[in-house]
Amino acid sequence: QVLLVQSGAEVKKPGASVKVSCEASGYTFTTQYMHWVRQAPGQGLEYMGFIIPSSGITAYAQKFQGRVTMTRDTSTSTVYVELSSLRSEDTAVYYCARDLGIFCLGYWGQGTLVTVSS
Amino acid sequence: QSALTQPASVSGSPGQSITLSCTGTSSDVGGYTHVSWYQQYPGKAPKLIIYEVNNRPSGVSNRFSGSKSGNTASLTISGLQAEDEADYYCSSYTITTTYVFGTGTKVTVL
Repeated sequence: QVLLVQSGAEVKKPGASVKVSCEASGYTFTTQYMHWVRQAPGQGLEYMGFIIPSSGITAYAQKFQGRVTMTRDTSTSTVYVELSSLRSEDTAVYYCARDLGIFCLGYWGQGTLVTVSS
Repeated sequence: QSALTQPASVSGSPGQSITLSCTGTSSDVGGYTHVSWYQQYPGKAPKLIIYEVNNRPSGVSNRFSGSKSGNTASLTISGLQAEDEADYYCSSYTITTTYVFGTGTKVTVL
């Protein structure tokens, strides 16, 4: 079965960077887009962007452009999201989610809590 | 890209039907059939319940149905049950080739 396992919680200081990983299994890694979504405490879902695992091509939501980088390692079937210049408003649970190939996010990781605090 | 607009809360009694709206623009909801809906329980990851406006993934109850008219998509939950109490988010593909989520609706079963 499809499984997305994310890295553990992180605590960062303002201005630092954070890198969250998402290891995929149960399917051919390069066949489906992978997305990143975040959710601040008590708030709604916020779309960050996607990466095409076969090519490494990325597309980011305008809000995050210049501050987010999504990468992948095909040898370990892992995707990464790195967010720089962290501020308190970046405190959130970050989710990876696999596309179903029909423009929807069909499988989700368990989420990674990133806390930004001085 | 602004978030799609959803009512903050909708409530209904068991057995009733409720409809959640999701309003966007011609650059997202109105321009594409790639509208999906997600159900989220507190502390859990979202779950896909509707894709491509009105399609249900395998295993999702047929009490959930979707539709779209112009720039507004809708999710109807029929035969409301206690287990339907959750947050619901719509999402749409956009002209910028990324996606946008709705503001979310909290469904309460009275």
